Amino acid sequence: SQKIEQNSEALNIQEGKTATLTCNYTNYSPAYLQWYRQDPGRGPVFLLLIRENEKEKRKERLKVTFDTTLKQSLFHITASQPADSATYLCAPSNYGGSQGNLIFGKGTKLSVKP
Amino acid sequence: KAGVTQTPRYLIKTRGQQVTLSCSPISGHRSVSWYQQTPGQGLQFLFEYFSETQRNKGNFPGRFSGRQFSNSRSEMNVSTLELGDSALYLCASSLAGETNIQYFGAGTRLSVL
Repeated sequence: SQKIEQNSEALNIQEGKTATLTCNYTNYSPAYLQWYRQDPGRGPVFLLLIRENEKEKRKERLKVTFDTTLKQSLFHITASQPADSATYLCAPSNYGGSQGNLIFGKGTKLSVKP
Repeated sequence: KAGVTQTPRYLIKTRGQQVTLSCSPISGHRSVSWYQQTPGQGLQFLFEYFSETQRNKGNFPGRFSGRQFSNSRSEMNVSTLELGDSALYLCASSLAGETNIQYFGAGTRLSVL
């Protein structure tokens, strides 16, 4: 069955450093992959989407890579700030059609210390 | 454009009771999905409604049900509550187009005592 693993439950880094979060999937060939941010007690918020034919996508301090051979996506936050502290979720998926929902990884809780 | 609205934000119930949660999607979004989130299991898919029809269903018992109205608003019902049903219930709407980008509400925090 489809399995999504995010590298660790928690990641602690120092302000100004680059945070790298990993999303691995098995028994699945997604056409794209989404990343979301979730703050405590709130719903996830969409950040970035990368398609299978895109190696890399950037948005401000965020960068996502997608390696369909390794079945892995990396999510980078450069020059991290305490405000980046949150849980980050990945969701590999195929194109919509008859399915409007997503299957999410359990997330990685990022803590950025000043 | 208003976001996804979920009511109520907090609920306290006792075992055996039933509960109904409400979700108003973003205007124009026809797909509404419900998720249960717990610390141990993460975000788990319950069901998805599209144009008033349940289109997909996750692996939850029949005590969990839902419906969608003609204006795309959705309700979720849990009958015979159990302690393990304590969780954050999230509703998300999407355009259900090429990509399923989900727009989440703030959730309903349900505590079963």
